[in-house]
Amino acid sequence: GQNIDQPTEMTATEGAIVQINCTYQTSGFNGLFWYQQHAGEAPTFLSYNVLDGLEEKGRFSSFLSRSKGYSYLLLKELQMKDSASYLCAVIPGGYNKLIFGAGTRLAVHP
Amino acid sequence: DTAVSQTPKYLVTQMGNDKSIKCEQNLGHDTMYWYKQDSKKFLKIMFSYNNKELIINETVPNRFSPKSPDKAHLNLHINSLELGDSAVYFCASSSGTVSGNTIYFGEGSWLTVV
Repeated sequence: GQNIDQPTEMTATEGAIVQINCTYQTSGFNGLFWYQQHAGEAPTFLSYNVLDGLEEKGRFSSFLSRSKGYSYLLLKELQMKDSASYLCAVIPGGYNKLIFGAGTRLAVHP
Repeated sequence: DTAVSQTPKYLVTQMGNDKSIKCEQNLGHDTMYWYKQDSKKFLKIMFSYNNKELIINETVPNRFSPKSPDKAHLNLHINSLELGDSAVYFCASSSGTVSGNTIYFGEGSWLTVV
């Protein structure tokens, strides 16, 4: 089966750095996405990793290790507006679909 | 302009009714999807269409019938609604296969069955 695990909830302080981890066990691998979803809104694209290593995009970075079935999303200089759910999603081998984790609800407080 | 738009945004209906949710994308994408997000916030794929052809059907009850009149539209019709169908339904689209191509989501349709 396909399985994606990420912590349910995290809290952090404004201005700090937070790392959200994601581990996956899938039949094959064709890429990993991170999406942000504010309450009551649609998921929006943050990052895509298909090769090992770190992808940096402004305050957000995403890391992938295919051999470990592991990714993390790093958020720097946290702002209140970063309070949202962060969804890890994997493309299994041979499939044209994303398998989503349950999401990590991040609360940023002053 | 909204890239992926779906209507209605909110729908409250009684058990046993039949309802439809419409979706349109103006991104020129050739692949469209329906995802369901339940109360536990899991996003699960239901269907995927590429150029109007069904390519993914994830063991969804046959009360759910997608229809794609053209590659810019993918509608979802649900017959004999049940309480367990209450969820948020997201339409999405991408250019080609999902590998390496971002999926863009619509704003969701909140379906409540009473």
